[in-house]
Amino acid sequence: NAGVTQTPKFRVLKTGQSMTLLCAQDMNHEYMYWYRQDPGMGLRLIHYSVGEGTTAKGEVPDGYNVSRLKKQNFLLGLESAAPSQTSVYFCASTQPRDNYEQYFGPGTRLTVT
Amino acid sequence: RKEVEQDPGPFNVPEGATVAFNCTYSNSASQSFFWYRQDCRKEPKLLMSVYSSGNEDGRFTAQLNRASQYISLLIRDSKLSDSATYLCVVNLYGQNFVFGPGTRLSVLP
Repeated sequence: NAGVTQTPKFRVLKTGQSMTLLCAQDMNHEYMYWYRQDPGMGLRLIHYSVGEGTTAKGEVPDGYNVSRLKKQNFLLGLESAAPSQTSVYFCASTQPRDNYEQYFGPGTRLTVT
Repeated sequence: RKEVEQDPGPFNVPEGATVAFNCTYSNSASQSFFWYRQDCRKEPKLLMSVYSSGNEDGRFTAQLNRASQYISLLIRDSKLSDSATYLCVVNLYGQNFVFGPGTRLSVLP
């Protein structure tokens, strides 16, 4: 059981470039989330999804887009990267019947120069 | 006021010490509560859920005071391996989780 996986693990982008972060979970969870973590600020919710084909904005959605075409995958896109998007990105999934325990992926460290 | 606030830390304690972390939340409609542990450069992992009656898991005890909107985590007999950042997490409804900034603990030999 792989749990939650994220690709890539590391990436360096130049300002204005685009990229997609992939999150995959094999636990058949309905809910999936994308967070960013910056020093001293804790995790902040970017976007989330409560099921295949549905997405919603979180606390800090600007500059990001997401898609959930398959239940097991949740993609986070940066259309035009900015230095302010330098961060560690975590994906998580959960299921209401599991008391909403969130399972996190190992994270993606993104640097935008 | 931030939605979830925690002791700023860091806490530096000797092995065997008892240490307590505090967390307050601003939304009285919050439904469920958790403590997560995050090791350096790793992902957060659930330490324990926090129930209204309080709950214990080995050396760890969590308490919830809904009237004061306050959550605590007590670690007894600290081990070197307890060194990590402890995150207080509040669930407002279903999909809406709010994380505190975390409190870093260093257990010293």
